[in-house]
Amino acid sequence: DQQVKQNSPSLSVQEGRISILNCDYTNSMFDYFLWYKKYPAEGPTFLISISSIKDKNEDGRFTVFLNKSAKHLSLHIVPSQPGDSAVYFCAAIAYSGAGSYQLTFGKGTKLSVIP
Amino acid sequence: EAGVVQSPRYKIIEKKQPVAFWCNPISGHNTLYWYRQNLGQGPELLIRYENEEAVDDSQLPKDRFSAERLKGVDSTLKIQPAELGDSAVYLCASSFQGPSQETQYFGPGTRLLVL
Repeated sequence: DQQVKQNSPSLSVQEGRISILNCDYTNSMFDYFLWYKKYPAEGPTFLISISSIKDKNEDGRFTVFLNKSAKHLSLHIVPSQPGDSAVYFCAAIAYSGAGSYQLTFGKGTKLSVIP
Repeated sequence: EAGVVQSPRYKIIEKKQPVAFWCNPISGHNTLYWYRQNLGQGPELLIRYENEEAVDDSQLPKDRFSAERLKGVDSTLKIQPAELGDSAVYLCASSFQGPSQETQYFGPGTRLLVL
């Protein structure tokens, strides 16, 4: 059962336009969300995160929106640049007390920014 | 500052052979993670260490997989014997505290191919 879903395996966007990557989740215990970016032959690198008490977090060209009622989050990249071409993973954390937590990744969305 | 170091980067073995992966986390990071990433999937946690203690190994197939983190620094993940289905990228990550306080920093991974 996929608790974190990225339903679009790929996305192509023109340079300078907005890229919107979507992520849905099913576990209502998730209370922290992260986006990672991954280039080929490299490990994922942290991009931006958001706590469940917020609905928006912005860092430069990157903004993450969280809609808890819909169990949906999205990553907006504006403007998109060719260097943003990578696989983007959505991840979610559920804490279960006593220092225990569950970190779950989605399958990823491959973003291609066309010059 | 050096990132998470993993070796080897690539490994090709025949089924039923043993294999071992090594990880050196970022200096000062007390939490270490091993993930497995199958093709087209997100990373899946195998084991998490807090210092030298394995605090979450619920997803580690204990019949053939083992891990250790002596002295709470470097870690080794072993598979014995390897099976065809073990072909994947094995990622090591580290963080200073839990993932919400400090994000996980991933190594480049070891790509394993079992023939």
